[in-house]
Amino acid sequence: KQEVTQIPAALSVPEGENLVLNCSFTDSAIYNLQWFRQDPGKGLTSLLLIQSSQREQTSGRLNASLDKSSGRSTLYIAASQPGDSATYLCAVGGGADGLTFGKGTHLIIQP
Amino acid sequence: EAGVAQSPRYKIIEKRQSVAFWCNPISGHATLYWYQQILGQGPKLLIQFQNNGVVDDSQLPKDRFSAERLKGVDSTLKIQPAKLEDSAVYLCASSLESSYTEAFFGQGTRLTVV
Repeated sequence: KQEVTQIPAALSVPEGENLVLNCSFTDSAIYNLQWFRQDPGKGLTSLLLIQSSQREQTSGRLNASLDKSSGRSTLYIAASQPGDSATYLCAVGGGADGLTFGKGTHLIIQP
Repeated sequence: EAGVAQSPRYKIIEKRQSVAFWCNPISGHATLYWYQQILGQGPKLLIQFQNNGVVDDSQLPKDRFSAERLKGVDSTLKIQPAKLEDSAVYLCASSLESSYTEAFFGQGTRLTVV
């Protein structure tokens, strides 16, 4: 059974810093990995989707990498802003099994 | 492009009552998912539809939960009777073609069972 772990569980940094969120998964037989953002009381917003054949994806200040063989992904946020404050969720896609989520990293960017 | 629509946004019911949630996926998306998110946890898959057929419902508590997807478009998730531990956010998501493709989520329905 696939298990997804996200470290750290919570992170608070001053505005402007670059930061890295980590995600690990136990079964490397995945089809893709998706990073989401969740604001309080809201649904999930898709940030980046990395297919299993890809190594990384970039969108604006966000860069996500995938090392399938070691079961790891990182989400890099450059020049953080207070508006980046949210919970970030990592999810792996196993094909017909839907997405398996981690518990998320609660991020606070201090102005 | 319209996103995934869910209703209601909030619902408070007493234990042993029944409740239903509605989801309208993104137009043209064949795959529809229902997830349950308990406070402080990541979402957990309850059921996955491909068009109007069930692909995976292994984590759906079938003694009290049921779901259907009419004509391969809209879907409803029902709980009867509700228990206190069913208090959670119920998220609907859709993707063009199974979990091989990007999933898009609705705003969710926050259920409180008292």
